[in-house]
Amino acid sequence: EVQLVESGGGLVQPGGSLRLSCSASGFTFSSFSLHWVRQAPGKGLEYVSSITSNGGTTYYADSVKGRFTMSRDNSKNTLFLQMTSLRPEDTAVYYCVKDVGQYFWSGYHWDYWGQGTLVTVSS
Amino acid sequence: QSVLTQPPSVSGAPGQRVTISCTGSSSNIGAGYDVHWYQHLPGTPPKLLIHDNNNRPSGVPDRFSGSKSGTSASLAITGLQAEDEADYYCQSYDSSLSGSVFGGGTKLTVL
Repeated sequence: EVQLVESGGGLVQPGGSLRLSCSASGFTFSSFSLHWVRQAPGKGLEYVSSITSNGGTTYYADSVKGRFTMSRDNSKNTLFLQMTSLRPEDTAVYYCVKDVGQYFWSGYHWDYWGQGTLVTVSS
Repeated sequence: QSVLTQPPSVSGAPGQRVTISCTGSSSNIGAGYDVHWYQHLPGTPPKLLIHDNNNRPSGVPDRFSGSKSGTSASLAITGLQAEDEADYYCQSYDSSLSGSVFGGGTKLTVL
């Protein structure tokens, strides 16, 4: 059974940093690209970032570019999102999502989502 | 403003048919990228509903169907049930942005 379990969310002050993790199991982790998607309170889904299966290429939405860094450790089946210079508008539930392909630019669908972890940016 | 445009809300009575549109452009849906649909129930993670324009994953009832034409796509739900009340999102890839894009989401209310 495929499982994606996010952790690392919490309350942080504006300008602060936070590192999210996503622990995966039930599939060959190193074979698939992965994504982070967030949902702010009362808002829709917002695409945040993607990483290829080997971790060699990443992509970031303009709203987080230069502040967030996505990485993965294929030896530990874990995905990361390092978030810095956090703003109140970054407050959201962050989901880790699995692609069905190796390269996120293929436009393939995403078949599994984690339960999400809540990040709250507030003073 | 989402790259893919969906109506904010749709509604229908039990047993009826509703459709949700997803309008894109020549750099995403019109460029030939597939459209995928996700169902999002409150308190749960989004669930893949339709992939590659018109394919249902195992376990998704055949009351749900998708289509794509030109720069738009649609999700149709027939035989509406109370359990279908949820938010629905379309998703595709955009070559100009070099990343995936979502629609703004459509809230389905079963009357």
